[in-house]
Amino acid sequence: QKEVEQDPGPLSVPEGAIVSLNCTYSNSAFQYFMWYRQYSRKGPELLMYTYSSGNKEDGRFTAQVDKSSKYISLFIRDSQPSDSATYLCAMSYNTNAGKSTFGDGTTLTVKP
Amino acid sequence: NAGVTQTPKFRVLKTGQSMTLLCAQDMNHEYMYWYRQDPGMGLRLIHYSVGEGTTAKGEVPDGYNVSRLKKQNFLLGLESAAPSQTSVYFCASRPRGQGAAGEQYFGPGTRLTVT
Repeated sequence: QKEVEQDPGPLSVPEGAIVSLNCTYSNSAFQYFMWYRQYSRKGPELLMYTYSSGNKEDGRFTAQVDKSSKYISLFIRDSQPSDSATYLCAMSYNTNAGKSTFGDGTTLTVKP
Repeated sequence: NAGVTQTPKFRVLKTGQSMTLLCAQDMNHEYMYWYRQDPGMGLRLIHYSVGEGTTAKGEVPDGYNVSRLKKQNFLLGLESAAPSQTSVYFCASRPRGQGAAGEQYFGPGTRLTVT
């Protein structure tokens, strides 16, 4: 069983929809939770990261972490065609080595 | 700032050939990482470095070697390429400090095909 499981998708939504992307994990030692966005044939870029439990909002994006359920989510409000990309969740321990474990990614298409 | 750059962008190798992928970062980051990304398998860590002159194995290190002779550069070597090493390779870096544990910055990738 993988340490991090991500909803596989693909996901296709109309412009303006609310999108929910989700990951579950098995290792309770994870303390940092990240979401990366990866456009086709590009490197991943960090979108948001959260330490421990709670919510974090940045514009149209909201990241939620529920450590009791070992579940994290990324919500995108008012989705735009420019949000079409693969979204990767990632998690790491609270150590300086900072190695991250990634989900396999969910590909999102927002149709105009 | 160029951020993280990778050389080359594309390469085709024959089985048994060798090559070196170069990663360079200009952000003075202490930590650097090499990943491979295959369809449906996400990003898998090959090797990483927590500082100049130090390297460590990641999840899938077999068939690869690395060196970190300068802080800004992290080299990934394939001594004898195999078709199973056909993949997209990404380099990443991050600053020191527990508060920065999540903040990895990625390069644009190298697409490698081994025939």
